[in-house]
Amino acid sequence: EPEVTQTPSHQVTQMGQEVILRCVPISNHLYFYWYRQILGQKVEFLVSFYNNEISEKSEIFDDQFSVERPDGSNFTLKIRSTKLEDSAMYFCASGQPVETQYFGPGTRLLVL
Amino acid sequence: AQSVTQPDIHITVSEGASLELRCNYSYGATPYLFWYVQSPGQGLQLLLKYFSGDTLVQGIKGFEAEFKRSQSSFNLRKPSVHWSDAAEYFCAVGSNTNAGKSTFGDGTTLTVKP
Repeated sequence: EPEVTQTPSHQVTQMGQEVILRCVPISNHLYFYWYRQILGQKVEFLVSFYNNEISEKSEIFDDQFSVERPDGSNFTLKIRSTKLEDSAMYFCASGQPVETQYFGPGTRLLVL
Repeated sequence: AQSVTQPDIHITVSEGASLELRCNYSYGATPYLFWYVQSPGQGLQLLLKYFSGDTLVQGIKGFEAEFKRSQSSFNLRKPSVHWSDAAEYFCAVGSNTNAGKSTFGDGTTLTVKP
């Protein structure tokens, strides 16, 4: 069964550093998402992406965040200058049709 | 704005007992409703979803959920819980508008006693 994959599974970085989280969505999906989950809290929507552009973003998704689909298979989330409060589990999801999303296993980001 | 409330933060049941996890949603149009399960340190696994039609939906692992529009609820049930069901359960509401984003509840942690 096809699944969403994410790399790395864990990342530790220093505050102020840039990080790129990578996702490979399910191959025939057209809608892509990033969510995050701070430890012990609920899953929060960050951004959705369709047809090579952002469809919607939350207030969390400020100028420090960006997404890109650099080729036909990868979907990335970049955090330009990480802050302590960016420490969280980041989930990628993809969907086709739009309303059903399949989540990847997540990348646990720790900012020191 | 769409929102989800899961009133129970933590539930403990005995193995073999029945389970019901509550979920209430707020959404202006017809909601798309989901239940996900998350084991510690793991990702989110879709248990079941409701879009339309029969209000009782069957999912994986023996779970089912019932959509009740009049109560704005989508409660998850299982007739007999197994120790492996211990996990965190999230209810979510989405749509085919709003770019399909899902809004999650705070989650309910299920503990299963032997």
